[in-house]
Amino acid sequence: QKEVEQDPGPLSVPEGAIVSLNCTYSNSAFQYFMWYRQYSRKGPELLMYTYSSGNKEDGRFTAQVDKSSKYISLFIRDSQPSDSATYLCAMRNDYKLSFGAGTTVTVRA
Amino acid sequence: GAVVSQHPSWVICKSGTSVKIECRSLDFQATTMFWYRQFPKQSLMLMATSNEGSKATYEQGVEKDKFLINHASLTLSTLTVTSAHPEDSSFYICSAPTAAANTGELFFGEGSRLTVL
Repeated sequence: QKEVEQDPGPLSVPEGAIVSLNCTYSNSAFQYFMWYRQYSRKGPELLMYTYSSGNKEDGRFTAQVDKSSKYISLFIRDSQPSDSATYLCAMRNDYKLSFGAGTTVTVRA
Repeated sequence: GAVVSQHPSWVICKSGTSVKIECRSLDFQATTMFWYRQFPKQSLMLMATSNEGSKATYEQGVEKDKFLINHASLTLSTLTVTSAHPEDSSFYICSAPTAAANTGELFFGEGSRLTVL
């Protein structure tokens, strides 16, 4: 069993829709939870960083962490074609990150 | 935010040759850097942890004699793929944590795409 499970998609939504992404994990020692966005042939870009259970909002992005269920989510409101990318969840208990497989998202104009 | 720079971004080499990839932290010092490999449509897999002034720590299954890592300064780590073969063709990405104790956010380089012919 992988430490981090993420549905690779692909996920296609119309412009303006809400994009919902999620990951589950098995290692209860994970303390930090991140979402990265990766465009094709580029390095990952940090989008959201959370430490505790609950919600964190940053503009159109909302990250949710439920440690009791070992489940994290990322929501993108009012999605734009420029949001089309691969979104990777990642988590760690020290500096070593464990990544999900990444979900490829396409926002249709 | 913090910037991590990688060079080259793209390299093609012949089988049997060696290729060096550089990773620099541009506006912060990094005693630790991480090297990842990413195959097409797959996630990032940690290869090794580069430690300034000491030997790198390799993940299980990664050949340390094939993937040489040198972390000679607080802002530079290099990965050398020795005697490269076509199966080494991949996207190599480095990352470095900032020194912030409470966050320790990891920033990634732009990646280096290696194609071995």
